[in-house]
Amino acid sequence: DIQTTQSPSSLSASVGDRVTITCRASQSISSYLNWYQQKAGKAPNLVIYAASNLQSGAPSRFSGSGSGTDFTLTITNLQPEDFATYYCQQSYSTPFTFGPGTKVNI
Amino acid sequence: EVQLVESGETLVQPGRSLRLSCTTSGFTFGDYALSWVRQAPGKGLEWVGFIRSNIYGGTAEYAASVKGRVTISRNDSKSIAYLQLNSLTAEDTAMYYCCRVGSNYGDYFDYWGQGTLVTVSS
Repeated sequence: DIQTTQSPSSLSASVGDRVTITCRASQSISSYLNWYQQKAGKAPNLVIYAASNLQSGAPSRFSGSGSGTDFTLTITNLQPEDFATYYCQQSYSTPFTFGPGTKVNI
Repeated sequence: EVQLVESGETLVQPGRSLRLSCTTSGFTFGDYALSWVRQAPGKGLEWVGFIRSNIYGGTAEYAASVKGRVTISRNDSKSIAYLQLNSLTAEDTAMYYCCRVGSNYGDYFDYWGQGTLVTVSS
């Protein structure tokens, strides 16, 4: 099975900051990497699919990059509604695995 | 508007079985795979399994943690997907989400239900 790790596990940031979250896969997954945002008590929401494609309706301050084993989610000009937990997920092969999450705190 | 709504038992005794439904609307159900993802209280997301559209054979795949105990099925005429999980233990206590699987490039969960909390307890 392909394992995914994320770093950091949590971070503190302020409104207006630029935030970067890293996801690493245990083997090459090409660009089959997705990012989800989950706010407390809510279902997750797809933000980025296929490493760098912005999901319809997601704000343009979210961007993704990477291929192979190393991927990055970047949030520029952090807004109050962006404080949440972010998960990466590989879809290269089943079982589809999620990273452990990165909590973005105020 | 795409909608997915989970329903089913919320309190189940250990050793018993669980059947959840995912009722959908707002899209052509038969064109999409459907997946189930769960989240134990205070923990991260865990993929449970998914079922392909009948266009691709309607076959299902499952996580190792539930394989042998789980069946995901679909009824395209009713636009409903199902999750059956047998021999429940306390480790199955979680919020269970149903997701539509988009596949523009790779598979991703582009729409989620609100989730249903299942508690396994005597």
